[in-house]
Amino acid sequence: DAGVIQSPRHEVTEMGQEVTLRCKPISGHDYLFWYRQTMMRGLELLIYFNNNVPIDDSGMPEDRFSAKMPNASFSTLKIQPSEPRDSAVYFCASSAQLAGGPINEQFFGPGTRLTVL
Amino acid sequence: KNQVEQSPQSLIILEGKNCTLQCNYTVSPFSNLRWYKQDTGRGPVSLTIMTFSENTKSNGRYTATLDADTKQSSLHITASQLSDSASYICVVSAPSGGSYIPTFGRGTSLIVHP
Repeated sequence: DAGVIQSPRHEVTEMGQEVTLRCKPISGHDYLFWYRQTMMRGLELLIYFNNNVPIDDSGMPEDRFSAKMPNASFSTLKIQPSEPRDSAVYFCASSAQLAGGPINEQFFGPGTRLTVL
Repeated sequence: KNQVEQSPQSLIILEGKNCTLQCNYTVSPFSNLRWYKQDTGRGPVSLTIMTFSENTKSNGRYTATLDADTKQSSLHITASQLSDSASYICVVSAPSGGSYIPTFGRGTSLIVHP
């Protein structure tokens, strides 16, 4: 398996523009997580899905952020309109609920470095 | 509020030396604790995982300890190598609705000099 795939790897945009980040989880994983990482705040969980259904989006900072998972192999994180303070690295991770056990390692993608000018 | 505090924030050591990173948490209820290694420009990769009943877990030159009573964990790196230069993140998970929601520490940035 190629692991978690994210695109684009780098995105530079101007304030006010719409940004869409994409993620393909590892095949067979039923959990998908979106994170944001900054120097000031470290890694923050934004939202996670189970079987394509959003379970907890309490980490989404504002209504400008939205995430979808139309099927088991694809998810998007959209920011509209984008602002300079959204500049960060956005990670997608996936995991599988292990049969009979609670331990589920998350596998992270390479991240998308977003810069909003 | 669930929190994970790591120390030191950054650390510089010489190649071949040992070092220990600390993690204190207030996450409750506790499910498991992971240490991740994050190389510059890459996503975090899991090094070790420990549950409530485990005190020590090793992965090569990495040894993690857990004291669930004091809610402290440490990651010991033996005979450091240049490739150990990275950020080390402590993550404590709590059960939530059939899954396990992680709380991340801010990480310790380790630099190993030749």
